[in-house]
Amino acid sequence: QVQLQQSGPGLVKPSQTLSLTCVISGDSVSSNSAAWNWIRQSPSRGLEWLGRTYYRSKWYNDYAESVKSRIIINPDTSKNQFSLQLKSVTLEDTAVYYCARRGNAYKFDYWDQGTLVTVSS
Amino acid sequence: DIQMTQSPSSLSASVGDRVTITCRASESISNYLNWYQQKPGRAPKLLIYTASSLQSGVPSRFSGSGSGTDFTLTISSLQPEDFATYYCQQSYSTPDTFGQGTKLEIK
Repeated sequence: QVQLQQSGPGLVKPSQTLSLTCVISGDSVSSNSAAWNWIRQSPSRGLEWLGRTYYRSKWYNDYAESVKSRIIINPDTSKNQFSLQLKSVTLEDTAVYYCARRGNAYKFDYWDQGTLVTVSS
Repeated sequence: DIQMTQSPSSLSASVGDRVTITCRASESISNYLNWYQQKPGRAPKLLIYTASSLQSGVPSRFSGSGSGTDFTLTISSLQPEDFATYYCQQSYSTPDTFGQGTKLEIK
């Protein structure tokens, strides 16, 4: 059974960097069939996919255009986890952030419980 | 980006009712369409993948159909635990995009 456990601060100041980590159990961040995603949800933007990292003989990343200039998603094979860094945050980045696995058939089949991140001074 | 539009945005129904939710893609996505259920304070839960495949552990009263641009999620006989918000999501092309949600409420 795959489980995802997210950690990170719930409050970030404007212009600073939002950093979250998602620890994977029951699967590998280096899996050749899974992709590891960050998704956020807010009342104004709904469910918004932010990006993913995945391994297919080498590492790849895909990012949403809306955050492409500010986002980095990194895998950490030594700890079997992946991380999100979102730079230069504004109030618009306030949301519940989820990490999720995209498995076979391109479905988001496992999600963590979500973390509310508030951007406020 | 592929836009996903759900209808209706909200729906009132009674226990035992048959309910259908529609999702339309702005361009053809073959059958790369997934459905999720979300309850307040919880993460979305996968119900249906590739338009019509039932995720393991999901009750058989949930079903999905469609291909191309038009898709439906049907709940054959509503149970009290089914009152939630439902989202469609396309995985045909990057970025993955979600519908705006359909809130299913008790009549």
